[in-house]
Amino acid sequence: GQSLEQPSEVTAVEGAIVQINCTYQTSGFYGLSWYQQHDGGAPTFLSYNALDGLEETGRFSSFLSRSDSYGYLLLQELQMKDSASYFCAVRGNLDFNKFYFGSGTKLNVKP
Amino acid sequence: DVKVTQSSRYLVKRTGEKVFLECVQDMDHENMFWYRQDPGLGLRLIYFSYDVKMKEKGDIPEGYSVSREKKERFSLILESASTNQTSMYLCASSFAGGSNEQYFGPGTRLTVT
Repeated sequence: GQSLEQPSEVTAVEGAIVQINCTYQTSGFYGLSWYQQHDGGAPTFLSYNALDGLEETGRFSSFLSRSDSYGYLLLQELQMKDSASYFCAVRGNLDFNKFYFGSGTKLNVKP
Repeated sequence: DVKVTQSSRYLVKRTGEKVFLECVQDMDHENMFWYRQDPGLGLRLIYFSYDVKMKEKGDIPEGYSVSREKKERFSLILESASTNQTSMYLCASSFAGGSNEQYFGPGTRLTVT
């Protein structure tokens, strides 16, 4: 089976840097993705890591360590609009078309 | 612009009613998914389809069925709605093969009374 763990809530101030961690246990592994969801909105894709290391996209970066079954999303220069829930997701290697999501981390950005 | 639409944003139904949730995507995606989202539980996969008339069960298929008669449309059916099916339902689609990006619809907030 698949299980993903991430913190339920994180609070940070505007302009700061915040890291949201995700640890996973999967029967197979085919990459770690991150999604953002604002209250009342649809999840939107942020990033994907298939290999170890850091992927940077503007203010957001995502990191993966396959040996540790661990990844994180790094948000820099936080803005109020970054207040949202962030989900990590894995794609099973055995059931290739299925995606499994963590329970989400609610990020509160304060002025 | 990529678009996934769902038939209703809010729906209120009575226990025992048959409920249809419709999802349409305009991206010619092979894969389509139905999730439910509950506080503290994240997104849980109900069913997905990788082709017309093809479907596979997700993690929580009990009490649900699906239909995919056309590539762009994927329907979720609650045969006899129950109060424990009150939830947010999200439809998503993606290309087949190596794509790891799913596109989500706005969701349907279903309340069963």
